[in-house]
Amino acid sequence: EAAVTQSPRNKVAVTGGKVTLSCNQTNNHNNMYWYRQDTGHGLRLIHYSYGAGSTEKGDIPDGYKASRPSQENFSLILELATPSQTSVYFCASGDRDWGSYAEQFFGPGTRLTVL
Amino acid sequence: GEQVEQRPPHLSVREGDSAFITCTYTDPNSYYFFWYKQEPGASLQLLMKVFSSTEINEGQGFTVLLNKKDKRLSLNLTAAHPGDSAAYFCAVSGSSGSWQLIFGSGTQLTVMP
Repeated sequence: EAAVTQSPRNKVAVTGGKVTLSCNQTNNHNNMYWYRQDTGHGLRLIHYSYGAGSTEKGDIPDGYKASRPSQENFSLILELATPSQTSVYFCASGDRDWGSYAEQFFGPGTRLTVL
Repeated sequence: GEQVEQRPPHLSVREGDSAFITCTYTDPNSYYFFWYKQEPGASLQLLMKVFSSTEINEGQGFTVLLNKKDKRLSLNLTAAHPGDSAAYFCAVSGSSGSWQLIFGSGTQLTVMP
């Protein structure tokens, strides 16, 4: 069974503080993704990665950095958190061969509140 | 880039009725299509994945239709029951090479007893 875990599950941060959201997958997938979910917007892609050492900008990367130190782990970093980054963040993993049909497996989500 | 529009944003039906949700997309080269279900406070659960060559797909209690000519993807929940109450999202992928998913904005479905 595919397994993507995220930590923390809930986080309250102060404006200007640094926040790190972590994601771990045991699927041995090459690709990993970070999305945020806001009412009325569905899920929007922040950063993604093709493998260890790789990070790519998604559709809304401003204010976020990403780090992929290993196949299993992918972090999202908010260096200077702002209230507009209050959201629910989802991590996902997926393979990139045609046989996988681009399917992504999602983690449970992290609810971030920036005060 | 790809844009996906999903309608309606909210849908209420009676138990036993059908619920119909539609997404339109812009990139004619899109290849993979997905429907996800999200219950309150939970993650996304894959309902069905559809390939570009498949027009009709049936699952347990629902049918997915893909019309490539009109660039439309639809989800029809037949005989909806209260357990179907959730948010539903379509997602489209395939032409960019990065396997990115572009999501619709979601439909909040309420099935009333």
